[in-house]
Amino acid sequence: GAVVSQHPSRVICKSGTSVKIECRSLDFQATTMFWYRQFPKQSLMLMATSNEGSKATYEQGVEKDKFLINHASLTLSTLTVTSAHPEDSSFYICSARLGFSGNQPQHFGDGTRLSIL
Amino acid sequence: AQTVTQSQPEMSVQEAETVTLSCTYDTSESDYYLFWYKQPPSRQMILVIRQEAYKQQNATENRFSVNFQKAAKSFSLKISDSQLGDAAMYFCAYRPRGAGTASKLTFGTGTRLQVTL
Repeated sequence: GAVVSQHPSRVICKSGTSVKIECRSLDFQATTMFWYRQFPKQSLMLMATSNEGSKATYEQGVEKDKFLINHASLTLSTLTVTSAHPEDSSFYICSARLGFSGNQPQHFGDGTRLSIL
Repeated sequence: AQTVTQSQPEMSVQEAETVTLSCTYDTSESDYYLFWYKQPPSRQMILVIRQEAYKQQNATENRFSVNFQKAAKSFSLKISDSQLGDAAMYFCAYRPRGAGTASKLTFGTGTRLQVTL
């Protein structure tokens, strides 16, 4: 089946550092990618949707200058948490879908646990 | 806006028994998809089952089946012959059929399922 690889799986860094998380679709072309944030014992909250070659669409309340999303190719999207602070500590999950249509399945990465000291 | 409600934060079932997880949703759309995802302690999101709203027949996948009541906007998951490996967080999710950034998943708050011996 379709595989989405997310890297790194865990990162611990100091406050003020910028952190980049990569999301790759390994065996299909992901026209659309999604980035989610999950707090402990809570549901997944969509942060942004990105289509290859165009700017990401951010959900209300998500700071686009804080969470930079790049989807430059059909197999790679990156999320950069700029000048991270302890409140940015969370579990981040990416998801990829082939095509723009809603009837295409959505495949999830294994997530990245970000801890800011 | 679409909303997905899971009214059971936690459920418990004995091994080999059957358990039903509840989910209701609210939408003005007539064509959409409904999903149940499983998130074990490893945090990976695993698709359990999917239902297309225009299909009246309830979806089944081995020990997993759904009771889809479109008029009532209800979508419950039944797990038969429960196994220890079924213990996880279960999320109900909704996605409209549309295209582009409008076609995004909305997750419920989750139900934590414990399986006891």
